[in-house]
Amino acid sequence: AQSVTQPDIHITVSEGASLELRCNYSYGATPYLFWYVQSPGQGLQLLLKYFSGDTLVQGIKGFEAEFKRSQSSFNLRKPSVHWSDAAEYFCAVGAGGSYIPTFGRGTSLIVHP
Amino acid sequence: SQTIHQWPATLVQPVGSPLSLECTVEGTSNPNLYWYRQAAGRGLQLLFYSVGIGQISSEVPQNLSASRPQDRQFILSSKKLLLSDSGFYLCAWTKILGGKETQYFGPGTRLLVL
Repeated sequence: AQSVTQPDIHITVSEGASLELRCNYSYGATPYLFWYVQSPGQGLQLLLKYFSGDTLVQGIKGFEAEFKRSQSSFNLRKPSVHWSDAAEYFCAVGAGGSYIPTFGRGTSLIVHP
Repeated sequence: SQTIHQWPATLVQPVGSPLSLECTVEGTSNPNLYWYRQAAGRGLQLLFYSVGIGQISSEVPQNLSASRPQDRQFILSSKKLLLSDSGFYLCAWTKILGGKETQYFGPGTRLLVL
C-alpha cells in the first residue's frame, strides 16, 4: 500500500520569498502524484499532477513540483510567494489501477507581509 | 466542463437529529464518487466511495451512511447525529482513465453538531 508524508505541519515565509513544501511517498512502482491547495472554508483545488514523462511539472498559480524517484519525493515550489498563497497544502499519491489516492496530513502555509 | 456541487454549505444540527448532505456532479457520466471528512486541524478521512449506482464501499465504521440513487448524485446521511460528527465534509469525483484518475473536489459542507 502507498503512503505519503508531509514532514512540515506549518511553514512560515515572508511575502516575496521562495517556497518549498516537502512531500515524501512510499510506493513500490511509479506513483501518480498530486498537489492540492485548500483555502480556509473551501474545497481542495488541484494545483498540479504527475503521471509520467518530464519530472518537473508546472501547475496553476505559478507552482511547480519535481518528482525525484531516488528520493521518493515530490516537493512543491514557488519562486515568489504572495499573501494569497496562505492556505493548507496536501500532497497525494495514487497507484496505477487504484482510484483511491492516499493523502498526506497537509502543510499549513503562513505568509508574513 | 465538469462541476461538482454540495449543499448545504453550512449546517448546524442538534445531537440526535438526522442528516442529509447532497453532492451532485455535472458534465460527466459514470464518475467514481467519494465522501471525505476533515475534523478541525486534521487531514482528510475517506468515509465512503462509490463506483456506480447503488454501489457503496465504506472505509470507516461510523454513524454515517451513503447512498447513490442516481449516476451523478451522492448522498451522505445519518439517522442520529453525534457531537463527533462535526467537521467539514467534502465530496469528490474521478473519471476512470485507465489508472490515471484525478480527484476533483466540491466546495464542502461545514457541519456543526451541538
